[in-house]
Parts: sequence; structure tokens; C-alpha cells
Amino acid sequence: QKEVEQNSGPLSVPEGAIASLNCTYSDRGSQSFFWYRQYSGKSPELIMFIYSNGDKEDGRFTAQLNKASQYVSLLIRDSQPSDSATYLCAALDSNYQLIWGAGTKLIIKP
Amino acid sequence: DTAVSQTPKYLVTQMGNDKSIKCEQNLGHDTMYWYKQDSKKFLKIMFSYNNKELIINETVPNRFSPKSPDKAHLNLHINSLELGDSAVYFCASSPGQGNPHSYEQYFGPGTRLTVT
Repeated sequence: QKEVEQNSGPLSVPEGAIASLNCTYSDRGSQSFFWYRQYSGKSPELIMFIYSNGDKEDGRFTAQLNKASQYVSLLIRDSQPSDSATYLCAALDSNYQLIWGAGTKLIIKP
Repeated sequence: DTAVSQTPKYLVTQMGNDKSIKCEQNLGHDTMYWYKQDSKKFLKIMFSYNNKELIINETVPNRFSPKSPDKAHLNLHINSLELGDSAVYFCASSPGQGNPHSYEQYFGPGTRLTVT
């Protein structure tokens, strides 16, 4: 069964530090990867998308992809209390279906 | 303008009742989805439609029936509601096919269903 694994957390990070969120996937045929942020009581919101090996930066967010290790990560620089949320990783599998992780709860402590 | 909208936002009903949730997207997307998110926050795909045609039908009870009158709308009808149906139901849409960005999904605000 195709799976996307995330540590459920909570991951607690001091304000201003770098938050590092990790995700592994089982389907080696997965092509693209997505990071969504979900605030409590709200819907998931797309924040990053990556499909090439290496790093992709967007503002304070950097997504990293290593297809050989089947590993995706999201780095949040200069973490703010407003970054406190659950972060969902999703992989587009070889059948073009999104496989979702269970999410990592991130808490930024002032 | 709301890109993906759902009604109602909250739905409280008794066991055995039949209810519907409506979803509309104004993004011009070809593909729409229904997800269920339970109390443990896991997001589970239920159905997916592409241009009004069913393309994903995960293992859900046949009490759940989706209907897509056109590619901008995807409704979910639930018969004989059970306590275990209590969850948040999200509608989402994506552009369709063709390039990696085609599979980016955009979510509606969710419908919190409570069955008593």
C-alpha cells in the first residue's frame, strides 16, 4: 500500500528559529510533492509544490526533495507564532492520485 | 470571490436521516474531490470526478453518493446517517491533467457534520 509518513508531533520550535518538517513516501514512482498548511478549524491551504530533486525556495519556506531517499522536507525560516498549524505532506503517485500524510503539528513558541 | 465554496458549513442531524452537502468551484477546474477528515485529522479521499465523470471511488459505504451536474459542481448525498459519519467533509478542485501543477488541489472551507 502506498504511504506517506510524517511524524505527528507536536514539533515545538522557538520563535525566530528554523522549523524542519519531514516526510517520507513509499511509491518510488511518485512524481510531485505538495506541502499544505492547515490551521485548526480551517481547510488545508497549499504552500509549496516541488517535483525536481533539490531545493525550492519561496519566501521563508524551502522545500527539499531527495527522490533517491524518497524524502521530502519543508523548512520554515524565522518561524513566527502565525506558522503554528498542522502541515500536511502529499505525494502524487504513479496513478496521478494524491497520497496524504497524517500531518505534523507545529507549535511556534514566542 | 470564493474559489471553492461548500454549503452548509455546519450540519447537525440525527441518526437515520438523509442529508446533502453542496460544492461549487469558480476556478474553471476540471477535477473535483470529496474528502473526509475525522477527529484524528487524517484526510481521506472519498471520490473524485473529472469533467463530470467518476474517476476515484474509494471504499466508502454505498450510503454515500456523489453527483456532478456539471464540472463546476460536485454534491454529496448521504443516506441513513450513522454516528461514525460525524467528521469534517472537504470539497476540493484541481486544474486537471497536463503538467505537474495540474494536480494542485484547492479546498473549500469544509462542512462539519455531527450525527447525534
